[in-house]
Amino acid sequence: GAGVSQSPRYKVTKRGQDVALRCDPISGHVSLYWYRQALGQGPEFLTYFNYEAQQDKSGLPNDRFSAERPEGSISTLTIQRTEQRDSAMYRCASSPLRGSLAGEETQYFGPGTRLLVL
Amino acid sequence: AQSVTQLGSHVSVSEGALVLLRCNYSSSVPPYLFWYVQYPNQGLQLLLKYTTGATLVKGINGFEAEFKKSETSFHLTKPSAHMSDAAEYFCAVSEGSGGYNKLIFGAGTRLAVHP
Repeated sequence: GAGVSQSPRYKVTKRGQDVALRCDPISGHVSLYWYRQALGQGPEFLTYFNYEAQQDKSGLPNDRFSAERPEGSISTLTIQRTEQRDSAMYRCASSPLRGSLAGEETQYFGPGTRLLVL
Repeated sequence: AQSVTQLGSHVSVSEGALVLLRCNYSSSVPPYLFWYVQYPNQGLQLLLKYTTGATLVKGINGFEAEFKKSETSFHLTKPSAHMSDAAEYFCAVSEGSGGYNKLIFGAGTRLAVHP
């Protein structure tokens, strides 16, 4: 079946512009995660959704970053007034479960959106 | 807080040689440990994971890893490297509390395989 998809794959924007990054998880997956990966680093957790509920946003760096998943499926990560330091690969992942077994669960990652802020 | 250290940002081996990618973690609770691989222009793909039970875990493409609690390590090995193994490899530990799986990743190791 189809995997996790993300769009756009590449985004170049000017400093100060807003951007919206889309994630389409695997159908039926309850959990959805966003990560950010700077060049030469591993992915860093941004936020987590259980269905449409945003249950952890502790990794969002500041209030310019927000995310939503209004119908419990597609999610959008929005960055307002972009800055050059926001340049990175943004990754989305989904997994089928939530609950006591969630800690050992496999996350399925999309190909990522590479954001470049000029 | 949990953390992951991957020793060696770049590893180069000859085709047919042993692959050893090192991962050490810190965790105050029994960890769940993962190895993911990233091929160019693709998403991260799970190689293998340790949750409970047998400490030697076998994954896809001939890779395996051993959980050593006393050494807080989860090194990834493959007996004989293939050209197709060239990729970036990430070790991760799970903060599995709260009913979801917040992964903490290492910085990654880029594996090069030469003829």
